[in-house]
Amino acid sequence: DAKTTQPTSMDCAEGRAANLPCNHSTISGNEYVYWYRQIHSQGPQYIIHGLKNNETNEMASLIITEDRKSSTLILPHATLRDTAVYYCIVSTNAGNMLTFGGGTRLMVKP
Amino acid sequence: NAGVTQTPKFQVLKTGQSMTLQCAQDMNHEYMSWYRQDPGMGLRLIHYSVGAGITDQGEVPNGYNVSRSTTEDFPLRLLSAAPSQTSVYFCATSTRDRATKNIQYFGAGTRLSVL
Repeated sequence: DAKTTQPTSMDCAEGRAANLPCNHSTISGNEYVYWYRQIHSQGPQYIIHGLKNNETNEMASLIITEDRKSSTLILPHATLRDTAVYYCIVSTNAGNMLTFGGGTRLMVKP
Repeated sequence: NAGVTQTPKFQVLKTGQSMTLQCAQDMNHEYMSWYRQDPGMGLRLIHYSVGAGITDQGEVPNGYNVSRSTTEDFPLRLLSAAPSQTSVYFCATSTRDRATKNIQYFGAGTRLSVL
């Protein structure tokens, strides 16, 4: 699976959009981009995933660049409860494991 | 609907003791996995199972044993606990469907300290 690079930490003001970037320059054609988050001390929670089209669900939007070498997770109106570590993971659907890197620690501030 | 249930939530062991971490799911998912998370780190896969009777090793399997006799349960055994196994352990499940097998549902975790 391709490696990902994420900033170690980011801050966001409550009510504003949080834009979390992820670089995956070695991504291959059959690899998806997955986003999970982990709120302090809890198990990780799936957010969204995509292959090449932009995706949106009730939690977030995922924007994937045309060359697929990077993506951005957007939380449109961040709340204090969105404070968490956000993991960007690239994986095919053929494998049997997800590789969690260090993630981005998002701090939403009042 | 409980989802993924892990027991116990907390455990303290002495070096050399054995114990079993329990994971039970009521989602009828074929895939089950065990991860460990050390302080400030991401999750690392220990063992996984693609269905009853089938298990395989992940990234860090040494010191751990698993079996999968039913769809619902996937226990993780520490045969002789070591301080290096102090960690938070998460169990996860997903469907076998190729389109959704990477959408994993995690339990609340077991916090293990080995003295």
